[in-house]
Amino acid sequence: GAVVSQHPSWVICKSGTSVKIECRSLDFQATTMFWYRQFPKQSLMLMATSNEGSKATYEQGVEKDKFLINHASLTLSTLTVTSAHPEDSSFYICSARGLRDSPYEQYFGPGTRLTVT
Amino acid sequence: QKEVEQDPGPLSVPEGAIVSLNCTYSNSAFQYFMWYRQYSRKGPELLMYTYSSGNKEDGRFTAQVDKSSKYISLFIRDSQPSDSATYLCAMTYGQNFVFGPGTRLSVLP
Repeated sequence: GAVVSQHPSWVICKSGTSVKIECRSLDFQATTMFWYRQFPKQSLMLMATSNEGSKATYEQGVEKDKFLINHASLTLSTLTVTSAHPEDSSFYICSARGLRDSPYEQYFGPGTRLTVT
Repeated sequence: QKEVEQDPGPLSVPEGAIVSLNCTYSNSAFQYFMWYRQYSRKGPELLMYTYSSGNKEDGRFTAQVDKSSKYISLFIRDSQPSDSATYLCAMTYGQNFVFGPGTRLSVLP
């Protein structure tokens, strides 16, 4: 099956610094990647959708200058949290789909737990 | 009204029980209906999907969709402690992919 990895799996950073999270599709070409955040005991909230080679489309309320998304290749997307604050602490999950995937198909990474101190 | 609603739980059942998980939705445009299982601190994994109304069975799991009532269900038979997780319903049409808030299930040995 399709495998998506994320790195790092957890990260602690100081307030005001930036942190980059990588999302890789290991055995397929991901034409579209999604970034979600999930607070404890809550559902996934879509932050942005990115298509390879294009600028990401951000959901309403998500600051694009704070959450920088790059989808430069068919196997890699990155999310950079800039000037992180404690309220950015969350579980960030990426998912990916290929060009020929059915509408229900979306392959999730294992998630990255970010703690901002 | 949220686009997709789901009983938040938590739900605790004894091992071997039949579990019923439900979601309701408001947008009649949804076409595919999915159930994901998410273990703590892990990404969601797809359990089952259904296209339009009807039932689908896979081992101990049965998914039901009633589009007329905008209601979907996941049944787990002979529940096991390993089924303890958060279950998320999701539905999609076009490029729109919407998750329910999830139900936390604990199956007690």
